[in-house]
Amino acid sequence: QFQLAQSGAEVKKPGASVQVSCKTSGYTFTSHNINWVRQAPGQGLEWMGWISPSDGFTGYSQNLQGRVTLTTDASTSTAYLELRSLRSDDTAIYYCARESSHSGSFDYWGQGTLVTVSS
Amino acid sequence: QSVLTQPPSVSGAPGQRVTISCTGSSSNIGTGYDVHWYQQLPGTVPTLLVYGNTNRPSGVPDRFSGSKSGASASLVITGLQAEDEAIYYCQSYDSTLNVVFGGGTRLTVL
Repeated sequence: QFQLAQSGAEVKKPGASVQVSCKTSGYTFTSHNINWVRQAPGQGLEWMGWISPSDGFTGYSQNLQGRVTLTTDASTSTAYLELRSLRSDDTAIYYCARESSHSGSFDYWGQGTLVTVSS
Repeated sequence: QSVLTQPPSVSGAPGQRVTISCTGSSSNIGTGYDVHWYQQLPGTVPTLLVYGNTNRPSGVPDRFSGSKSGASASLVITGLQAEDEAIYYCQSYDSTLNVVFGGGTRLTVL
């Protein structure tokens, strides 16, 4: 059974950085891209970026370019999201999602990590 | 403002049929990129409902069907059930192959 297990909730002050992890299991980690999607309270889904665990290639949303970095550790089948210079409007649930190699859709999602930015 | 436009809400009585539209442009869906649909039940993680415009993952009832024409796509739910109350999101790609989502449509079963 495929699983994406994310790290726990975080509370950060404005200007700080946060790292969220996404530990995968049940499939070959390097065979599927990992995407990150966030959802502000009461809002819709916002795509943040993708990373290929096989070669480290990445793509980022222009809205977040320069503040976000995606990485992976193949030895632990874990993907990481780092978001810097946090603002109050970065308060959201952050999801990692596995990308289907056939369709490009997000076929499995992590449980989500709530990041709260507050002074 | 989302790149893909969805109606904020739709509703229907149990047993009825509802359609949720997803309107894009020549820069995304109209280019020929696939559309995927996700269902987010209250307080839960989004799940894949339809992929590649028309395909259902195993376990998704055939009451849910997707279609695409030109720069738009639609999700049709027939035989509406109370458990279908959720927010539905369409997803596609833009000209730089970045992912774009619709704003989401809240389905209310009357």
